[in-house]
This record gives sequence, structure tokens and C-alpha cells, in this order.
Amino acid sequence: GENVEQHPSTLSVQEGDSAVIKCTYSDSASNYFPWYKQELGKRPQLIIDIRSNVGEKKDQRIAVTLNKTAKHFSLHITETQPEDSAVYFCAASKEGSTLGRLYFGRGTQLTVWP
Amino acid sequence: DTAVSQTPKYLVTQMGNDKSIKCEQNLGHDTMYWYKQDSKKFLKIMFSYNNKELIINETVPNRFSPKSPDKAHLNLHINSLELGDSAVYFCASSQGRGEKLFFGSGTQLSVL
Repeated sequence: GENVEQHPSTLSVQEGDSAVIKCTYSDSASNYFPWYKQELGKRPQLIIDIRSNVGEKKDQRIAVTLNKTAKHFSLHITETQPEDSAVYFCAASKEGSTLGRLYFGRGTQLTVWP
Repeated sequence: DTAVSQTPKYLVTQMGNDKSIKCEQNLGHDTMYWYKQDSKKFLKIMFSYNNKELIINETVPNRFSPKSPDKAHLNLHINSLELGDSAVYFCASSQGRGEKLFFGSGTQLSVL
């Protein structure tokens, strides 16, 4: 099956700085890469996703890049704010496959200091 | 009008008891899941159902038994609860397999 590795496990940044979280995956057939944000005591929620036919996607302060050759994808958060503090999960899947399911990374605890 | 709802939100019980968690989605999705999140925050898939059919069973002890009466509902029954079962259990749904997940609000299970 797929194996998703996520780094770093913890990340502390000053408000206004950028944060980058990186993930690698093992199955070259994976074609869907979502990112989830989980605030303390809340459910994981999708913040951005990218499919394998796209190299980069941006939504305001967050962006995701995908390198299919190297099998890695990254989440970039610019101008971080204290409310960005949360656990972030990357995931990979073969969307639409009969065996399709999300494989999650182990999460990154992001802390943004004011 | 909550998309994926699960009850109860908190469950505190003694070792050896049997308990159930219920989940319902009103998104019209075909696929539903149970995930377990331990104290280290890892999201571990337990089960997945597609149109009431079990498609994923991830080496979960047979004390855990999912039941899907229809494609909008997926319940989880746990027999003979153990201390190690303490965790947050999330129900989730997706339109198709491997597609974006919508999570319920979670059930914090504490086994004493």
C-alpha cells in the first residue's frame, strides 16, 4: 500500500513568517493530495488539495506544490497568524480507484507565536 | 444541517463494558469510514463501507463491529472495552473511494 511520510512533526514560527510542511509518498499511481487542518478539540477539515495533473495551487495565504517525479508535495503558509496554529495532515490517494482511500501522514503541530 | 454528525461527543465507561457510537451523513455520499485518533494525533483508518458493503477492515480487533444499515449511516459497536481503546473516534464520508473526506465532530472515548 501507500506510505506517506510527513516532516517536520513540530514547527514553531513567529507571526508573519512563512511555514513549510513537506510530505513524500511511495505509490506513483497516487493522484490526489489533500491537506487537512485540525484545531485543538476539533475535527480535521480540508484546507486545500491538489491533483496530479497540476503542479501548484494557491488559495490566499496557503499554497501546495507537487513534484510527481520526486513523489513529494508541500504546504506553504505565508504571513502566518496565531489562528494558523493547529495540526496539519497531508494525505495521498488513488482517487476513484476501487481500492481508493486516503493515506495520512503523521501530522505536523504548527505553533505561531505572536 | 450538519454534514456528518456522530453521537455521543463524549463517552466515559468502565473496562469490560460494551458501547456504541452512531454516525449519519446527509451529503448523499457513497462511502463512510471510521478513524481512530490516538494521543499522538495519528489518524488510523479502521473501517470503510461503500453503499453498505465493507471494503476496508484494517486489522482491527474483532471486539469492534461496524454496521451500516443504509449508505447514510455507519455505526460502531465496541465489546469488552479495554484501556487501550481510549481515543477520539471520527466518522467520515466521501463521495467516492479515495476522494476528499468530510469528518464528523468526533467521539472522545475514555475507558477507566
